[in-house]
Amino acid sequence: NAGVMQNPRHLVRRRGQEARLRCSPVKGHSHVYWYRQLPEEGLKFMVYLQKENIIDESGMPKERFSAEFPKEGPSILRIQQVVRGDSAAYFCASSTDSGNTIYFGEGSWLTVV
Amino acid sequence: AQSVTQLDSQVPVFEEAPVELRCNYSSSVSVYLFWYVQYPNQGLQLLLKYLSGSTLVKGINGFEAEFNKSQTSFHLRKPSVHISDTAEYFCAVTGGYGGATNKLIFGTGTLLAVQP
Repeated sequence: NAGVMQNPRHLVRRRGQEARLRCSPVKGHSHVYWYRQLPEEGLKFMVYLQKENIIDESGMPKERFSAEFPKEGPSILRIQQVVRGDSAAYFCASSTDSGNTIYFGEGSWLTVV
Repeated sequence: AQSVTQLDSQVPVFEEAPVELRCNYSSSVSVYLFWYVQYPNQGLQLLLKYLSGSTLVKGINGFEAEFNKSQTSFHLRKPSVHISDTAEYFCAVTGGYGGATNKLIFGTGTLLAVQP
C-alpha cells in the first residue's frame, strides 16, 4: 500500500547549488501538487501538475523554481541557485481526477547552508 | 478567491478534556473541506473531510467536524483528548473556481498542546 513517496527526505545544499526533489504519487493518481512549508508557517501551494502538463503554477516563485511531471517517472521540483530563504519542508501530494481526497507524502526538508 | 482562517494559533488543553479547533472559510462556490494533522517532522495525515451530505463528519482518532454553511465554518472537535493528540492541525478547502483546479488552500494551523 504505497502512498506518496518523496525523496530525499533531507537535503543539504550550499548557496548557489541546485536542489532536486522527487515525488512518486500514489499508484493510479495522475494529479500531483507541491507545497512549501516555511518554519513556523502553514503550507503554501506552489504548483499543480497532471501528466506532462502544468495546470496551475500560481504559487511558484517566478525565478529559479520549476516543476515537471513526465509521462514516465516521478514528479520533480527543481530549485536552481538555492538561497538560505529556500530552506523549508517541501511536500508533495497526489489525487485522482475528482480531487476529493488528496494524499500527502512525508516531505523533503531542504537546508541551505 | 478562497481562503481559510484558523483563529487560534495554539490551543492548550488538559488530557481527557474536550477540545474545539476553529476554522472559517470564504468561498464564492461550493467547497470541499478537510482537516489534516501533522506530527513533528512528518507529513500531513487526513483526519476527515466534508464533500456533501451530512454536515457532521466523523474522522479518525475520535475526531469529528461540523460543516455550517451559514456561518462558513468547519470546526474540529474531540470529546476527550489524549497526550498523543499533541500536533499541528490544519484546515483546508478546495473547490471549483469554475475552472479545473483541485488545489488545497490551507489555514495557518493550530497547535494542539495536550497537558497531563
